[in-house]
Amino acid sequence: EVQLVESGGGLVQPGGSLRLSCAASGFTFSSYDMHWVRQATGKGLEWVSAIGTAGDTYYPGSVKGRFTISRENAKNSLYLQMNSLRAGDTAVYYCARAMDTANAFDIWGQGTMVTVSS
Amino acid sequence: EIVMTQSPATLSVSPGERATLSCRASQSVSSNLAWYQQKPGQAPRLLIYGASTRATGIPARFSGSGSGTEFTLTISSLQSEDFAVYYCQQYNNWPLTWTFGQGTKVEIK
Repeated sequence: EVQLVESGGGLVQPGGSLRLSCAASGFTFSSYDMHWVRQATGKGLEWVSAIGTAGDTYYPGSVKGRFTISRENAKNSLYLQMNSLRAGDTAVYYCARAMDTANAFDIWGQGTMVTVSS
Repeated sequence: EIVMTQSPATLSVSPGERATLSCRASQSVSSNLAWYQQKPGQAPRLLIYGASTRATGIPARFSGSGSGTEFTLTISSLQSEDFAVYYCQQYNNWPLTWTFGQGTKVEIK
C-alpha cells in the first residue's frame, strides 16, 4: 500500500524549532518530488516547500529562510526543519507526493499538528 | 506570485443536482491545474489534474475544464459523499510554485 506517515508535531514556543518527518512506503521514494503543505484550523491549504529528486528545493516567501526541506532516500524519509517559529505557523502539516506525470499531489499523509504558543 | 481565486465560497446544492465550481488564476497557468476534495478531519484527495484528467478511482460524475486562467469543476449529480470543501491548485512549470485557491464548500441545500 502506498502510504505517507508524518510525525514530529507538537507544542513549541515562539522563536523555537521543530523537525517534522514523513515516512514513505509502498513506492520508490527516490523517484518522486515531495512536498509539505499546511492548513491552519478552519483555513485553506498553503504550500510550504518542495524537494525534487535531485535535491533541488523550493519555498514560498512566507517560510523562505526559516524552513528547510530535505530527504533521505536510503530511509524513504522526508523532513521539514522549521526554525524561528511564529504563531502564524500553527497548522496541520501534510507531506504529499507529486505525480510523476504532473506536479499535482496524488498521495497525502494524515498530517501532524504543530502549535506555536507560549 | 500567482493568485488563485475560487467562487463561490459556499455552494448550497440538493442531492442529485449539478454543482459548478469556478477557479480563476491571476495569470496563465496553461493546463497546470488540479482539483482536490477535502472532508472534515481528512487529508485532501486528488480529483482532477491537467485541468481535465480524472485521477485514479475518481467517479465519472467529476469533470474538469478550462485552460489559461479560467477553470471549472463540475459534479454532475451530487451524492451524499460529495459534500465537502473543494480546492483548486496551480502547479505552473515556471516559476515553480504551487498555489491553492481558498476553497469552495459544497453543502446540502
